[in-house]
Parts: sequence; structure tokens; C-alpha cells
Amino acid sequence: GDSVTQTEGLVTLTKGLPVMLNCTYQTTYSPFLFWYVQHLNEAPKLLLKSSTDNKRTEHQGFYATLHKSSSSFHLQKSSVQLSDSALYFCALTRNEKITFGAGTKLTIKP
Amino acid sequence: GPKVLQIPSHQIIDMGQMVTLNCDPVSNHLYFYWYKQILGQQMEFLVNFYNGKVMEKSKLFKDQFSVERPDGSYFTLKIQPTALEDSAVYFCASSLGGGSYEQYFGPGTRLTVL
Repeated sequence: GDSVTQTEGLVTLTKGLPVMLNCTYQTTYSPFLFWYVQHLNEAPKLLLKSSTDNKRTEHQGFYATLHKSSSSFHLQKSSVQLSDSALYFCALTRNEKITFGAGTKLTIKP
Repeated sequence: GPKVLQIPSHQIIDMGQMVTLNCDPVSNHLYFYWYKQILGQQMEFLVNFYNGKVMEKSKLFKDQFSVERPDGSYFTLKIQPTALEDSAVYFCASSLGGGSYEQYFGPGTRLTVL
């Protein structure tokens, strides 16, 4: 079946530094990848999505590029802010089902 | 943007009782979902629902679980009877279409089974 792997469970950074959250996936189907962000006690919200190989997609300062050759969809930001502290989920969709990764908790310190 | 509502926000019940979690999806959406999240952990797919039917369900969707959306009202998740391991936050989501369409999530119902 489909699977999504996020290798970092917890990332702590100082404000202003760059960040990359890793996401790799396995599927036998044509992949559609998402990044969702979940702030404390809130619902997950869509941050980015892509199904186009080697094309960078951006939103709210975050960006990611789907690389089918390496089955990856890493999330990056050049300068993190305090408000970026949240849980980030990479997810893969097939038909109407989303498979989520385990999530990465990002904590930004002043 | 579009909002999904969930009622109640918290529910505490005794093991063995029945519980119904209610979801008010985005009005023109056609696909509905339930997810389970144990505190701070991975969101796990339970079930999706379209055109009055369950399309797909996961291994977590035990026989004690059922979903329905009678007459276009709330999309409900019923657990009967509940077990201790059902304690979690349950998120409802809806989308206009399947596949790559964005799913909009509700704020979740925190269920505690004692």
C-alpha cells in the first residue's frame, strides 16, 4: 500500500534560520503530494500540493519540489518565524484517501 | 475560507457507551471523511463517504464504527460500544471532489473514554 515517511519527529530552530523537513513516499500510482500544517489545537490546513515532477510550488514563504526520481517532496523555508511553530504533515493522496506521514513538530525559538 | 464544523468539541463517556460525533461539512462538498489522531501523533484515515455510501475504510474502522449522512444533514461517526483505545481526537473533512481536491478539516472532537 501507500506510505509516507517523515524522518524528523522534532525540529527546533532559532528564528530567521532556514529549514527543510524531509518527506519521502512509496506508491505504485501517480503521486499527488500535500503538505498540511496543524497549529496547536487547530485543524490541519493545506499548505502546498503538487503532482508535477520537478516543479517548485510555493505558498506563504514555504516551498517544495516533487522529485519522482527520488520519491521525495521536502518542505523548505529560507527564514522561519515564530508563527511557523506547528506540526507539519506530508501526505499522499490516491483517489479519495489521504495517507499521512507521522508528522514533524517544528518549534521556533526567539 | 470554507469551514467544517464539528459538534461537540469534547466528549467524555464511559467505556461501553455509544457516542455520536457530528460533522457539518462545507455546503457544496460531496466527499466526506473521518480521521483519528492520538494526541500529537499521526493523523490516520478511518473512512470516506460519497453518494450515501462508504467508499473505502481502513483497518482502524472497526465493526463498532458506522457513518451516515441522513438527508444531507450532519455527517456522523457512531461508535457503539466504545473502548478505551477509542480515546483520540476525531477530525472530519470534506472535499468538493475526490483525488487531488483539497480536503477541508474541522477543528476536531476530543473523545475521552473512561
